[in-house]
Amino acid sequence: ETGVTQSPTHLIKTRGQQVTLRCSSQSGHNTVSWYQQALGQGPQFIFQYYREEENGRGNFPPRFSGLQFPNYSSELNVNALELDDSALYLCASSLADVLTDTQYFGPGTRLTVL
Amino acid sequence: LAKTTQPISMDSYEGQEVNITCSHNNIATNDYITWYQQFPSQGPRFIIQGYKTKVTNEVASLFIPADRKSSTLSLPRVSLSDTAVYYCLDTNAGKSTFGDGTTLTVKP
Repeated sequence: ETGVTQSPTHLIKTRGQQVTLRCSSQSGHNTVSWYQQALGQGPQFIFQYYREEENGRGNFPPRFSGLQFPNYSSELNVNALELDDSALYLCASSLADVLTDTQYFGPGTRLTVL
Repeated sequence: LAKTTQPISMDSYEGQEVNITCSHNNIATNDYITWYQQFPSQGPRFIIQGYKTKVTNEVASLFIPADRKSSTLSLPRVSLSDTAVYYCLDTNAGKSTFGDGTTLTVKP
């Protein structure tokens, strides 16, 4: 069974730039969720994709967008980067056809915006 | 999904049993209660999940009273490697709201 992987591990961007983060879901999982975790805080839900459609969104502006592909891999895109976007970005995959599904998290991508 | 409430930090010693309690004041009927563990610079790791009463697995026990307004994670005989942040969540079909977690520090 392959776990959740994310790339890149670390990334440094400057304010105003755009960034794309990638996630490969655990084998057999049809749902991916993205979270932003600032230092010292719990992960904050950005959005979830289920079978290539957005299936819920947290309190994040439209410059945060995503995609889920037919193989259930996923991308998180952030436009017009701001300093406050510096955080650990986590993706989690699950099989959300049942209420008891468990999310399996990747190791995260550390984004630094200068 | 509602955000839960839990203590900010706890200290313990190796070999002791640790109980971390969480308040789920706004839990919905279809929500499950899930606990995660997170080490620095890593993603959260699933520990245990339940709906009500008691659930036990190889690493922890979870106690949920009938009203489901609280839950208690019990870690038997903790070791130094159990030092981490522990999160309790109300979960529904993969959607979760994390609070700020409980930082557990296990001392020798």
